[in-house]
Amino acid sequence: DAGVIQSPRHEVTEMGQEVTLRCKPISGHDYLFWYRQTMMRGLELLIYFNNNVPIDDSGMPEDRFSAKMPNASFSTLKIQPSEPRDSAVYFCASRIFGRSGANVLTFGAGSRLTVL
Amino acid sequence: QKEVEQDPGPLSVPEGAIVSLNCTYSNSAFQYFMWYRQYSRKGPELLMYTYSSGNKEDGRFTAQVDKSSKYISLFIRDSQPSDSATYLCAMSETGAQKLVFGQGTRLTINP
Repeated sequence: DAGVIQSPRHEVTEMGQEVTLRCKPISGHDYLFWYRQTMMRGLELLIYFNNNVPIDDSGMPEDRFSAKMPNASFSTLKIQPSEPRDSAVYFCASRIFGRSGANVLTFGAGSRLTVL
Repeated sequence: QKEVEQDPGPLSVPEGAIVSLNCTYSNSAFQYFMWYRQYSRKGPELLMYTYSSGNKEDGRFTAQVDKSSKYISLFIRDSQPSDSATYLCAMSETGAQKLVFGQGTRLTINP
């Protein structure tokens, strides 16, 4: 299995531009999570999906952020318009509920976003 | 106050030393406690997890949970340069999908 695949790995854009980050979860995983990581705030959960349905988007910072999961193998996180404070590494993670009940996530390599 | 507190370090120790990494938390409903390791420019990967209180050992790594003190630890014995990474603690309530992460501690093992 190729693991969780994210693209682009790096994105540099100017303030006000639209940014779209993409994620392909592991096949068969029924949960997908979007996290944001910064030096100041660490890893923060933005939104998660179960069977392609958004369950909790309380971590989405503003209306400028939106996420979709049109099918089990693809999700997008969109920022429109982008601002310099959105600069961070955005991680996608997926999981399947294990027998142990533990919430074990598999993370992608991340998309490093820089907004100038 | 954050739900999970972790000293960001950095922490630098010589090869072969015993390393102790710690987190404190405020939510008494947390039941699953995890440690993730994150190498530079990579995503976090699960190192080990424990349920409720107690110890768990996996090779050179030992995880401890003290729920009475709301304190968890990760010990690394015979540390190696390849252990140099950021270590993040994470916790969740039973049945909850949300994992709450600590800030992460950056660890360097010097040869």
